[in-house]
Amino acid sequence: EDKVVQSPLSLVVHEGDTVTLNCSYEVTNFRSLLWYKQEKKAPTFLFMLTSSGIEKKSGRLSSILDKKELFSILNITATQTGDSAIYLCASQGGSEKLVFGKGTKLTVNP
Amino acid sequence: GAGVSQSPSNKVTEKGKDVELRCDPISGHTALYWYRQSLGQGLEFLIYFQGNSAPDKSGLPSDRFSAERTGGSVSTLTIQRTQQEDSAVYLCASSPMPYEQYFGPGTRLTVT
Repeated sequence: EDKVVQSPLSLVVHEGDTVTLNCSYEVTNFRSLLWYKQEKKAPTFLFMLTSSGIEKKSGRLSSILDKKELFSILNITATQTGDSAIYLCASQGGSEKLVFGKGTKLTVNP
Repeated sequence: GAGVSQSPSNKVTEKGKDVELRCDPISGHTALYWYRQSLGQGLEFLIYFQGNSAPDKSGLPSDRFSAERTGGSVSTLTIQRTQQEDSAVYLCASSPMPYEQYFGPGTRLTVT
């Protein structure tokens, strides 16, 4: 059964700190790994990773995939209070449906 | 500029009643997914429609749950004889291909 495990489950930091969120996965016929940010009800897309070792960046956020070790990390530098959210990791395999982790709840305090 | 829309945004129902949740995907997206998010949980896959293929219903938790997608567009998720454990946020997502998914705002279902 496909599985995604995220850590930590929650994290509290101060503005300006750098955080690293972890995601490990087990999926049959891996296609991609996706990161989402969820602030209210609907997750919003951040990154999709398909190849190992290629970093994707968007502003202060970056992510990388290691297909050998079956994990991904999401880095946020110079955190701001607006980064407070639940960050969801999801894997997509041969069945094409996404399997989500439980998320990491990030709280950035001023 | 239409994203995925869902209705209603909130639904409170009594235990034992049936409910219907609606999803309007982005026009032209062939894939449509339903997920459920319970308090403190990640997103739980329910059902997946892709074009005219038979839907993947492997995530439906019981036979009280069913979904249809008419004309390859709008989808309805029906829950019969609702139970309190059905209380959750139900999210719909659509995708032009089976990759990046665009989520709707969700329907918060409360069963009293």
